[in-house]
Amino acid sequence: QKEVEQDPGPLSVPEGAIVSLNCTYSNSAFQYFMWYRQYSRKGPELLMYTYSSGNKEDGRFTAQVDKSSKYISLFIRDSQPSDSATYLCAMSANNAGNMLTFGGGTRLMVKP
Amino acid sequence: SAVISQKPSRDICQRGTSLTIQCQVDSQVTMMFWYRQQPGQSLTLIATANQGSEATYESGFVIDKFPISRPNLTFSTLTVSNMSPEDSSIYLCSVPDTQYFGPGTRLTVL
Repeated sequence: QKEVEQDPGPLSVPEGAIVSLNCTYSNSAFQYFMWYRQYSRKGPELLMYTYSSGNKEDGRFTAQVDKSSKYISLFIRDSQPSDSATYLCAMSANNAGNMLTFGGGTRLMVKP
Repeated sequence: SAVISQKPSRDICQRGTSLTIQCQVDSQVTMMFWYRQQPGQSLTLIATANQGSEATYESGFVIDKFPISRPNLTFSTLTVSNMSPEDSSIYLCSVPDTQYFGPGTRLTVL
């Protein structure tokens, strides 16, 4: 079993839809949770960064962390074709420069 | 946020040869990370490059195959040695404190 599980998709939605992306994990030591967006042939771009449980909102993006369930989510409101990319969740046990453990990524396609 | 650049952006290499990838950061950082992203896969950490000491390699990666240099606090290189087609991947460097990534080096080994 992988430490971080993420549905690979592809997830196809119409423009304007609310998108929900999720990851589950098994290591209860994870405290820091990140979502990255990766366009084709590009490096990952940090979208959201959260610590411990709770919600964080930034524009159309909302990240949720439920440590009791070992479950994290990224919601995208009013999705746009430009949101079409692969979304990677990542997490680490501390913020002292430790390595990240990544999910496998979910490919999202937003159709006009 | 740190600005990270990598060279080359892509390369096509022959089996048995070696390629050195450069990573430059616009600020001084104590640690730099090297990741590999194989086709259709997520990112896997290869090693942590520390300035002034030997790199720390993750399970499954060895120094003879992936030698790393870290001559100063803004620069690191990763060499992929004696390449085989299985080494075809995107290689990315990153820095801690929210882990910004470079644009990656897309390597194809024939």
